[in-house]
Formats: sequence, structure tokens, C-alpha cells
Amino acid sequence: DVKVTQSSRYLVKRTGEKVFLECVQDMDHENMFWYRQDPGLGLRLIYFSYDVKMKEKGDIPEGYSVSREKKERFSLILESASTNQTSMYLCASRGDALGYTFGSGTRLTVV
Amino acid sequence: AQSVSQHNHHVILSEAASLELGCNYSYGGTVNLFWYVQYPGQHLQLLLKYFSGDPLVKGIKGFEAEFIKSKFSFNLRKPSVQWSDTAEYFCAVNANQAGTALIFGKGTTLSVSS
Repeated sequence: DVKVTQSSRYLVKRTGEKVFLECVQDMDHENMFWYRQDPGLGLRLIYFSYDVKMKEKGDIPEGYSVSREKKERFSLILESASTNQTSMYLCASRGDALGYTFGSGTRLTVV
Repeated sequence: AQSVSQHNHHVILSEAASLELGCNYSYGGTVNLFWYVQYPGQHLQLLLKYFSGDPLVKGIKGFEAEFIKSKFSFNLRKPSVQWSDTAEYFCAVNANQAGTALIFGKGTTLSVSS
């Protein structure tokens, strides 16, 4: 089975800190995605990547950036964390067959 | 761009009642459609998906969904719900072309009372 691993389950960061959320997949998938999940808003797409060093903005990219230096790793970066970025962050990967695999999520609290 | 609309924010049912959750999408081309479920405190789980072929798709736990292309709809159904179906349900759509992503609806919370 494809595994998508997010490095932290829970994180607490201070306002203004630079935050890195890491995601690794083990099945050589081309496509990787970052979403945030908030009550009543569902999952909203932040950024995605369809190849190494390639990135595309999703619906809510403001305040975020991403890095994909290697195929298996897709990092989400909060350049200067703010309280409105407190959320559950989900990483996903997708192979050719259009099946998505999601990580367990990182619950980030910005204080 | 794709978008997904789920009609109901919160549905409350008694056990053994029938369930239908509405989902409509907007996209002019070919799409792939998904329903995910998230049980309290757990992460997303795929219920079923439609890529092509028979528009009536059967998934896990007795759920099914019907793709009606003319209505841009992909409604989720279950003939008889159980208390254990209490969860949040998400409809999602992916345009069937390279360089696109899965877009989710806002979700429907289902509460089933025993």
C-alpha cells in the first residue's frame, strides 16, 4: 500500500515563526498536494505539484509556499505563521490511476 | 475551474432511515468523482469513486452513488443507515486531465441516532 507520511501529528508554533510541514510518499507518485481542513469549509487546496521542482497554486495559496526538491518529498512552508493558519493540514499523493492517498494530517496551532 | 457543492450541511437521521446526500459539481469536461468519509477523530477514508462506465457505483459499507452527467450530480445513497455511519462526508471532483487537483465540497455532517 502507498504510504503518505506527515512528520508531525501536532505542532504548536508562535505567531511570526517560519513553519515547515513535511510530507513523504513511498510509491514514486508524480503528483502531491497540500490541503487544509477547517470545520464547515471542507478541504481546501493550498498548493500542488505534478513533478519535481514544479508547483501550482491551489485555491488558497496566500501565506504559504512549497518546496519539492525530490519526488518523494513535498514540503509546505508558512513563511510567517499567523493565528488564522491554525488548522489541520493534509498531504496527499496521486499516481497515474488517479487514486489519492492521504496522510494522517498535522494539526497546527499558532499562538 | 472545478467547484463542488454539497447541498446539506448537517443531516440528522434515525437508525434504519434511508440516506441521500446531494453533490453537484461544475466543470464542462470529463471528471472523476469521489466520496470520502471521516469518522470522528479519524482521517479521511475513500467510500467510492467513479472514473467511467456504469454510472451507479457501489462502495464500502453499503454505500452507493449515481453519476448523472446531465445534472452534474453524484449523490450518495444508503438504504438503511446505522449509528456507526455518524461521520462527515465529502464529495470531491477531479478534472480528467493532467495538472489538475482534487477539489472538495464543504462536507455534510451526518448524525444517526439509535
